[in-house]
Amino acid sequence: DTEVTQTPKHLVMGMTNKKSLKCEQHMGHRAMYWYKQKAKKPPELMFVYSYEKLSINESVPSRFSPECPNSSLLNLHLHALQPEDSALYLCASSHPKSGTGYSNQPQHFGDGTRLSIL
Amino acid sequence: GQQLNQSPQSMFIQEGEDVSMNCTSSSIFNTWLWYKQEPGEGPVLLIALYKAGELTSNGRLTAQFGITRKDSFLNISASIPSDVGIYFCAGQKGYGNKLVFGAGTILRVKS
Repeated sequence: DTEVTQTPKHLVMGMTNKKSLKCEQHMGHRAMYWYKQKAKKPPELMFVYSYEKLSINESVPSRFSPECPNSSLLNLHLHALQPEDSALYLCASSHPKSGTGYSNQPQHFGDGTRLSIL
Repeated sequence: GQQLNQSPQSMFIQEGEDVSMNCTSSSIFNTWLWYKQEPGEGPVLLIALYKAGELTSNGRLTAQFGITRKDSFLNISASIPSDVGIYFCAGQKGYGNKLVFGAGTILRVKS
């Protein structure tokens, strides 16, 4: 069983809907990530939060809005999505970059939310 | 964005055979990771490598961090049907935690 929990597992929404994806981890990790993955392709980084602050936004369209309410939770708010946004959305967590150097601790992934846009 | 060169793209092997796949890069990485992804699941970490030349095993899996820090390989010995999935290599540079992924190797096993 994965230690990163994502809900819901599946989501179907229309282009005018607003929905949210949720991610939770209890490993004490202070870095959390959102990835988008198309079938048989590697994950593509979207956002990185480090110590609950947004540290990387990979030029993601504003119809995707991340939120990190506390060190265990990560949300991705969705609004006015396009059909090409249909994909598997993965959350991951790790120990973050340390203050005095870099952290090379590996990222641990959840099982994702399969999102379909009608 | 940048990707690692992962090969082969896919493999269809007989149960019991050994498997080898590798990743190469034109730039140096300080960490190499190998993940496996099965249908309907997220990537699962198999092996993490942190030092050039390091050779690490996890059951039937063995991975090595290349001495130049620009490549890594993963070997699976005596393959079994549950080895089926997509294997991704990922490299991590020294500053921050951004992963660079290979395109993946699709493994199918005939029993």
